[in-house]
Amino acid sequence: DAMVIQNPRYQVTQFGKPVTLSCSQTLNHNVMYWYQQKSSQAPKLLFHYYDKDFNNEADTPDNFQSRRPNTSFCFLDIRSPGLGDAAMYLCATSRKGPDNSPLHFGNGTRLTVT
Amino acid sequence: DAKTTQPTSMDCAEGRAANLPCNHSTISGNEYVYWYRQIHSQGPQYIIHGLKNNETNEMASLIITEDRKSSTLILPHATLRDTAVYYCIVRVVGGSNYKLTFGKGTLLTVNP
Repeated sequence: DAMVIQNPRYQVTQFGKPVTLSCSQTLNHNVMYWYQQKSSQAPKLLFHYYDKDFNNEADTPDNFQSRRPNTSFCFLDIRSPGLGDAAMYLCATSRKGPDNSPLHFGNGTRLTVT
Repeated sequence: DAKTTQPTSMDCAEGRAANLPCNHSTISGNEYVYWYRQIHSQGPQYIIHGLKNNETNEMASLIITEDRKSSTLILPHATLRDTAVYYCIVRVVGGSNYKLTFGKGTLLTVNP
């Protein structure tokens, strides 16, 4: 089945130690998104790629970066994780066109910072 | 995106219809109403969307008022697996602003 896959499901990192989360898709969608969801809160958009064009949300900290080497893969890099960055990180995809498709989400990576 | 207002929580008995309301009084003419749900520890799942006509699919029905200022998501026969947070979101379709912005949602608890 076509889907959005996030690995790993659970990630533990140390305070200040860089960490990378990965997302892959088989939907061939041209837009990929990264959301952050803290406990008991709604998902919050960090940034997205439309094809190779990177679009950062105004309030996304510089500590968060992203890479999209090809259509299928997108990475979230946290350069120096703090305790406040502990959250569920959700990857999503959609097709942008005359009729924008709904977003399809992966099951997320839960990041713990120790 | 226009803001939406949803009740914080609702309960429903298993096997009964669950009716989840949403107010979007400032919705623009080119904005659709989307519904997503998020089961605990999973990613949000798309349910349904509509512009002004009522919509139905295998998961749910969406009823949009004629003035488009409010809508109701209907799960016709709720099961325990429908316990989740349900998000009502308005989103432009076909334009350059295609992002999805989540509000607080409604926690639906289906009771046996």
